[in-house]
Amino acid sequence: NAGVTQTPKFRILKIGQSMTLQCTQDMNHNYMYWYRQDPGMGLKLIYYSVGAGITDKGEVPNGYNVSRSTTEDFPLRLELAAPSQTSVYFCASSFRDSTFEQYFGPGTRLTVT
Amino acid sequence: GQSLEQPSEVTAVEGAIVQINCTYQTSGFYGLSWYQQHDGGAPTFLSYNALDGLEETGRFSSFLSRSDSYGYLLLQELQMKDSASYFCASNQAGTALIFGKGTTLSVSS
Repeated sequence: NAGVTQTPKFRILKIGQSMTLQCTQDMNHNYMYWYRQDPGMGLKLIYYSVGAGITDKGEVPNGYNVSRSTTEDFPLRLELAAPSQTSVYFCASSFRDSTFEQYFGPGTRLTVT
Repeated sequence: GQSLEQPSEVTAVEGAIVQINCTYQTSGFYGLSWYQQHDGGAPTFLSYNALDGLEETGRFSSFLSRSDSYGYLLLQELQMKDSASYFCASNQAGTALIFGKGTTLSVSS
């Protein structure tokens, strides 16, 4: 089991560029999540999905989009990158009955300049 | 609003016991989770309390009091490798977690 994998590990974007952060899990988890973590802060939920074809907004969804076409994959799209989106992005997954126990990927460190 | 409050930093020496407190104000509360995150790493799950009382997992224990909207993580026999950030997180309506800002634990020899 690879668990939750994320690509890329690092990325530098120019203001106004777009990119997709990839996330894949091989644990057959129903639920998947995207968080961002700013220095010295906790994790803020961006979007989550309870199954293929179903997504919902979290605390900080503005500037991001998601899709979930398969159980395994949950990509996060950044449109028109802004410096405020400089952060570490974590993808996570869990079973439906244990959303309190989430498995996190290694993170993507994104800098927008 | 929904928020979880925890101390920003705690220091201790090897072999000691440390308690990290968390108070919460959230709606749709299901339970309280605790996560550990080493510098540059991903958060990893430690413990979960859905009911009042103490849950013990090896050197770590977690406590919840729903009536006081309060919980804590207790770390015993501290080791250098326990130096990390610890986050409490509220399980919202069984679908998502709201995280506190984290407590940085520094263990010295």
